[in-house]
Amino acid sequence: AQSVTQLGSHVSVSEGALVLLRCNYSSSVPPYLFWYVQYPNQGLQLLLKYTSAATLVKGINGFEAEFKKSETSFHLTKPSAHMSDAAEYFCAVSPRPGGTSYGKLTFGQGTILTVHP
Amino acid sequence: EPEVTQTPSHQVTQMGQEVILRCVPISNHLYFYWYRQILGQKVEFLVSFYNNEISEKSEIFDDQFSVERPDGSNFTLKIRSTKLEDSAMYFCASSPGTAGWDEQFFGPGTRLTVL
Repeated sequence: AQSVTQLGSHVSVSEGALVLLRCNYSSSVPPYLFWYVQYPNQGLQLLLKYTSAATLVKGINGFEAEFKKSETSFHLTKPSAHMSDAAEYFCAVSPRPGGTSYGKLTFGQGTILTVHP
Repeated sequence: EPEVTQTPSHQVTQMGQEVILRCVPISNHLYFYWYRQILGQKVEFLVSFYNNEISEKSEIFDDQFSVERPDGSNFTLKIRSTKLEDSAMYFCASSPGTAGWDEQFFGPGTRLTVL
């Protein structure tokens, strides 16, 4: 079975500082990987996804993530945090074709990002 | 921009009562999902639905739960006899396909409180 672990339920950074949100997955075959963001009172919005093209994936709002197979990681980064980045971030995986539960997302527990002025 | 909508935003019910949570997926999407998030826990998959039938369901989705697409636009989740542990945020999602990499578009959620 696949699983996702996000290290750190809360991350706090200063405006302009680097944002690093960690995600590790467990899967016998590298899955598809996603980062979603949830702003207060809104649904989950896709930031970016890895589907086996380039290992460095660029998403919306200046975020990017790097897939590292050797480390089973897909950490999310942004060089310079903005106040508007304050939200909850979820890492998720979906199996590749031929696997069970095709299309079903398995989520990490979420990381709340706080940005200080 | 098209979006998934859910009603109500907050539902309070008594234990043992039936509730129906409603979702309007994006109009040209073919695959529909329900997820839930109990406070402080992970977002969990409940069920996926395609071509008017359930594609997959989780262990959580027992006989107390059912889904329906009654009129070609709404997608509903019914809980027949609610329990305290059903209190959670319920998210509906839809996607144009189920090609693993297809983005699932999520609604804002319905917060269900069972008293």
